[in-house]
Amino acid sequence: GAGVSQSPSNKVTEKGKDVELRCDPISGHTALYWYRQSLGQGLEFLIYFQGNSAPDKSGLPSDRFSAERTGGSVSTLTIQRTQQEDSAVYLCASSPARGAYTEAFFGQGTRLTVV
Amino acid sequence: RKEVEQDPGPFNVPEGATVAFNCTYSNSASQSFFWYRQDCRKEPKLLMSVYSSGNEDGRFTAQLNRASQYISLLIRDSKLSDSATYLCVVNGNTDKLIFGTGTRLQVFP
Repeated sequence: GAGVSQSPSNKVTEKGKDVELRCDPISGHTALYWYRQSLGQGLEFLIYFQGNSAPDKSGLPSDRFSAERTGGSVSTLTIQRTQQEDSAVYLCASSPARGAYTEAFFGQGTRLTVV
Repeated sequence: RKEVEQDPGPFNVPEGATVAFNCTYSNSASQSFFWYRQDCRKEPKLLMSVYSSGNEDGRFTAQLNRASQYISLLIRDSKLSDSATYLCVVNGNTDKLIFGTGTRLQVFP
């Protein structure tokens, strides 16, 4: 079956422009995560969606970052007025319904370069 | 205190060596524990879950110590292909999975 799909795989944008990154989770997965990873660094948590609950936005680094999840499926991460420090790989992961030992499956990421 | 802490390494070991990584977590109510592996420029992938009784998968052994709130990963007979970053993962409140920043392993010939 299909895994987590992210698009685009690569995005180059000019400083100050807005970008949208898309994540298609595995069908039926209720949990969805966004992370970002700078070169040589660990995963930085951004936001977590779980079913119909209010999202956990505690990791969003500034108000330029926002994310939504429509119909409990596809998610879009939006970065407004991009800055060079936003350059990173943005990873999306999804996970089945809550419970013990429900692993997260990652997409291949979107590599964002702000020039 | 970070929710999940790992030694970033790198651990540089020769082929055939045994190497162990530890990871501590802060939430005593955590119920699910995992080790993920991340290769350079790739997405993380599940290596193994960590069960209360400990579990083994070939050369890999995972242990959980609830009293001290840590999990461990032991790799025996290291291979060059084991070179990667190993991520400790624990579930927190609301079942959110929390990833450590990873321990880098480099196996040399």
